[in-house]
Amino acid sequence: SAVISQKPSRDICQRGTSLTIQCQVDSQVTMMFWYRQQPGQSLTLIATANQGSEATYESGFVIDKFPISRPNLTFSTLTVSNMSPEDSSIYLCSSPQGNYGYTFGSGTRLTVV
Amino acid sequence: AQKITQTQPGMFVQEKEAVTLDCTYDTSDPSYGLFWYKQPSSGEMIFLIYQGSYDQQNATEGRYSLNFQKARKSANLVISASQLGDSAMYFCAMREIYSGGGADGLTFGKGTHLIIQP
Repeated sequence: SAVISQKPSRDICQRGTSLTIQCQVDSQVTMMFWYRQQPGQSLTLIATANQGSEATYESGFVIDKFPISRPNLTFSTLTVSNMSPEDSSIYLCSSPQGNYGYTFGSGTRLTVV
Repeated sequence: AQKITQTQPGMFVQEKEAVTLDCTYDTSDPSYGLFWYKQPSSGEMIFLIYQGSYDQQNATEGRYSLNFQKARKSANLVISASQLGDSAMYFCAMREIYSGGGADGLTFGKGTHLIIQP
């Protein structure tokens, strides 16, 4: 199955700044998904990123706050913009694998101070 | 209404015992998939097992099995002979094939924190 390399693995950022998270897949995938996991909570889907088109955002998430790029079939970035302490979370990327599975990156643990 | 419900926030189990983690789901989509993931303290998501809505038999993967009761909309994970390394968060998740518009993302439950005691 495919492997997703995600970086950074963790970061501590000042409020008001932005952080870009990268995910590199070792094979071509049509869709990539970005999730947020707030402390002690479950995973919530932020958006779905298809190559060559605008990302589709879930309710409660907007492009200005979480811009996504998908320049090719193996790479995607998520930017967390104008950060506040409420953005402190684990952010994970994911892609479908085969008929049934979803592979996840190792996650980015973000702390905003 | 929640689409995935996990009613056990935390569980303590003795090592070597079997453990059942509960999951109920809600969907009107006739075609869906159910997943279980393990998340250790490191934060990575580890795929454990998958059950399709049309699968006739319960899924099994090594020590993991899924007790799928379609009429009850239940998809409980059973871990046999638990080990200390099984201590982690466990998430049940669902993918809806038609209402999700294709290869959509997963909807996750709130998770169960499983602690295996020696």
